[in-house]
Amino acid sequence: GNSVTQMEGPVTLSEEAFLTINCTYTATGYPSLFWYVQYPGEGLQLLLKATKADDKGSNKGFEATYRKETTSFHLEKGSVQVSDSAVYFCACSNFGNEKLTFGTGTRLTIIP
Amino acid sequence: EAGVVQSPRYKIIEKKQPVAFWCNPISGHNTLYWYRQNLGQGPELLIRYENEEAVDDSQLPKDRFSAERLKGVDSTLKIQPAELGDSAVYLCASSLIQTGKYEQYFGPGTRLTVT
Repeated sequence: GNSVTQMEGPVTLSEEAFLTINCTYTATGYPSLFWYVQYPGEGLQLLLKATKADDKGSNKGFEATYRKETTSFHLEKGSVQVSDSAVYFCACSNFGNEKLTFGTGTRLTIIP
Repeated sequence: EAGVVQSPRYKIIEKKQPVAFWCNPISGHNTLYWYRQNLGQGPELLIRYENEEAVDDSQLPKDRFSAERLKGVDSTLKIQPAELGDSAVYLCASSLIQTGKYEQYFGPGTRLTVT
């Protein structure tokens, strides 16, 4: 089955710092890739997605590019804010409505 | 548009007791998922429904867990009897398969504590 390996946390950064959270996957075929975010006390929310190689997903200043050659989907943001503090999950699925396979999550804390 | 609704939000029970969780998906979504999220881990699929049919229940511990989705809308997940290791957050998600869209929408979850 599929598997997702995510950068271990927790990660603590100062406001306006550059963020990278690494994610690599193992899957058959050409999976779709996702980043989900879980803010304190809230449910999982889709942050961004990419469905084919070289696609770039972006939302709220976050970006991730589907790299098939390195089986990676690293999350980046140029200048983080305190409000970005949350747990970030990388995930993949083989087909549109099949199960999501998640990484273990990376807890991000941004300090002012 | 209303999101995925789950109840209860929190449940504390003693081991060997039964418990049930309810989920109402986003209107019109034909696919419904139940995931379990252990502390410090990512969610793992328990069961996936397409309309009324359970199409993937390979990870559902069938000796104690059961689920149903009557009329292809609401769903109930039951545990009987509960064990200490069942303490987790149970997440429901739904999706509507359209060309180019591969998004699952999650509810807030039910946090189960088994004592």
